Amino acid sequence: AQSVTQLDSQVPVFEEAPVELRCNYSSSVSVYLFWYVQYPNQGLQLLLKYLSGSTLVKGINGFEAEFNKSQTSFHLRKPSVHISDTAEYFCAVSGMNRDDKIIFGKGTRLHILP
Amino acid sequence: GAGVSQSPSNKVTEKGKDVELRCDPISGHTALYWYRQSLGQGLEFLIYFQGNSAPDKSGLPSDRFSAERTGGSVSTLTIQRTQQEDSAVYLCASSQRGGMYNEQFFGPGTRLTVL
Repeated sequence: AQSVTQLDSQVPVFEEAPVELRCNYSSSVSVYLFWYVQYPNQGLQLLLKYLSGSTLVKGINGFEAEFNKSQTSFHLRKPSVHISDTAEYFCAVSGMNRDDKIIFGKGTRLHILP
Repeated sequence: GAGVSQSPSNKVTEKGKDVELRCDPISGHTALYWYRQSLGQGLEFLIYFQGNSAPDKSGLPSDRFSAERTGGSVSTLTIQRTQQEDSAVYLCASSQRGGMYNEQFFGPGTRLTVL
């Protein structure tokens, strides 16, 4: 079984500053990793995913995440945030079997300060 | 429309009444999930369907909650004898299958208010 930990429930950051949202996972087997974003009053949508290959994954809106197997982490980063990045971000993990379900973390709310 | 649809979009009910929430997944998606999202809270997993069977019902909060899926497509989440703490947005998501196909497509949700 897998689990996901997002240590920060809220992250405040000034506009145009860099941000890192932390995600750690636990699994006894290899996994696939995902980040989803939920903008205010909207549904969740996929931001990026790691399936295989390069450990640095680029997503929409300038976000990227790096898979670190030794540290079991998949932190999300953006070099310069904009007010429009205000949202809740969810990290998720899935086993590699075709019937494995996806497991979400509790989410991190990103507050962009003017 | 090729997305996940949910109905109703809003439901207001009185405490003690039963409610049914419906989810129409994307055609061909075999995996279907129900989640609950309360104000200021993250995603709470409720139940996972693979086809018509539910290999994981561990998230259902009580025996007042049940769900079924028929024809490998439409799913219904039923809450019996609703309580005020059941008030939340109920989200449905579907994916092609599990594993690497686990990119989930979410519906707009049903906002349930129990008075």
